[in-house]
Amino acid sequence: ILNVEQSPQSLHVQEGDSTNFTCSFPSSNFYALHWYRWETAKSPEALFVMTLNGDEKKKGRISATLNTKEGYSYLYIKGSQPEDSATYLCACRYGGATNKLIFGTGTLLAVQP
Amino acid sequence: KAGVTQTPRYLIKTRGQQVTLSCSPISGHRSVSWYQQTPGQGLQFLFEYFSETQRNKGNFPGRFSGRQFSNSRSEMNVSTLELGDSALYLCASRSDRAVQMNTEAFFGQGTRLTVV
Repeated sequence: ILNVEQSPQSLHVQEGDSTNFTCSFPSSNFYALHWYRWETAKSPEALFVMTLNGDEKKKGRISATLNTKEGYSYLYIKGSQPEDSATYLCACRYGGATNKLIFGTGTLLAVQP
Repeated sequence: KAGVTQTPRYLIKTRGQQVTLSCSPISGHRSVSWYQQTPGQGLQFLFEYFSETQRNKGNFPGRFSGRQFSNSRSEMNVSTLELGDSALYLCASRSDRAVQMNTEAFFGQGTRLTVV
């Protein structure tokens, strides 16, 4: 059974703090890793899709890195703002018969003004 | 371009009943996947359809079924509802350029099903 794990489960930070979370995944037969932001009462919104070892992606104050050899990805938020409050989901897609997105349980970020 | 649309948004059913949820993907997307989210659990994969064919299935009992129509709209059916089926059901669509591994999935807002 493929298990994608995210840590921490939740995080409370002050406005302006920088923060990061981790996604760990089995690296065998790995194809792609997706990060999503999911705000309450909205749809999960895609942030990044990464496939190659060493990939780094950036969108505004949010960036992500990928290490496929050791099976982890970091998501960084620089200078957190209250509007960054959301659940951040990591999902991995594998090859072969497991051609489906396997999600972690997410990291809930709350940014206090 | 309209996003992924799921109907209804909320639903209350009684144990033993059956329910059908609907998902209209983004125009041009032929891949539709369904996920279940219960409290404390990540999104659990139910199944994926591509061009009216089920391509992949998660570890759910046979009470959970789905189908996809020629216009790519998909329905999910749960028969003989149980209390534990109460959850948020999300559908996601992906680009129709084959089933590429690194295309992002676009999600609907979900259907909140409550079984009483």
